[in-house]
Amino acid sequence: AQSVTQPDIHITVSEGASLELRCNYSYGATPYLFWYVQSPGQGLQLLLKYFSGDTLVQGIKGFEAEFKRSQSSFNLRKPSVHWSDAAEYFCAVGESGSGNTGKLIFGQGTTLQVKP
Amino acid sequence: DAGVTQSPTHLIKTRGQQVTLRCSPKSGHDTVSWYQQALGQGPQFIFQYYEEEERQRGNFPDRFSGHQFPNYSSELNVNALLLGDSALYLCASSVLAGAPDTQYFGPGTRLTVL
Repeated sequence: AQSVTQPDIHITVSEGASLELRCNYSYGATPYLFWYVQSPGQGLQLLLKYFSGDTLVQGIKGFEAEFKRSQSSFNLRKPSVHWSDAAEYFCAVGESGSGNTGKLIFGQGTTLQVKP
Repeated sequence: DAGVTQSPTHLIKTRGQQVTLRCSPKSGHDTVSWYQQALGQGPQFIFQYYEEEERQRGNFPDRFSGHQFPNYSSELNVNALLLGDSALYLCASSVLAGAPDTQYFGPGTRLTVL
């Protein structure tokens, strides 16, 4: 069955430090991968997506992610974290292929706390 | 360009009642998906509507039903509410069901069942 695992439930980093959020997926076909961010009480905002092509994708707010098929991973990175990055981050895989609707399967999320 | 909108923002109901949540998709989008996000969890797919029909359904009971209107807006209905239905309900819109497409989310409706 398709699934997404975010191994880190909670991460704390200092402002200005680098960040990496881990995401592993289980999906039989070519995965379509997404990272979304959710601020408290808000909906989900798309940070970046991978459909095909270059395995290093750039997103908004200085985020990037790298797709590694051999490791079934799609980790999110940012070189220097800002206090405003504190939020909940969700990795998701979109179903593809005939008969599928493209529904998203989400991980449990990683809460990012930023220390001043 | 207005994004995905949802109403109401918050809702409080009691067990056994029925509730209707509403969603207007992003301009140019024709597909609406609904997700339930329990506290501390990732969103879970409820169902998707395209051309006024339910195209796929997640692992949710028949108490959850929906509708899509000719203008692509959508409603989510939940009957016989249970305490466990308390959650943030998210609506997402996209351009073409079945294709790899980005889903854009609304702000959600927070449902509390007492």
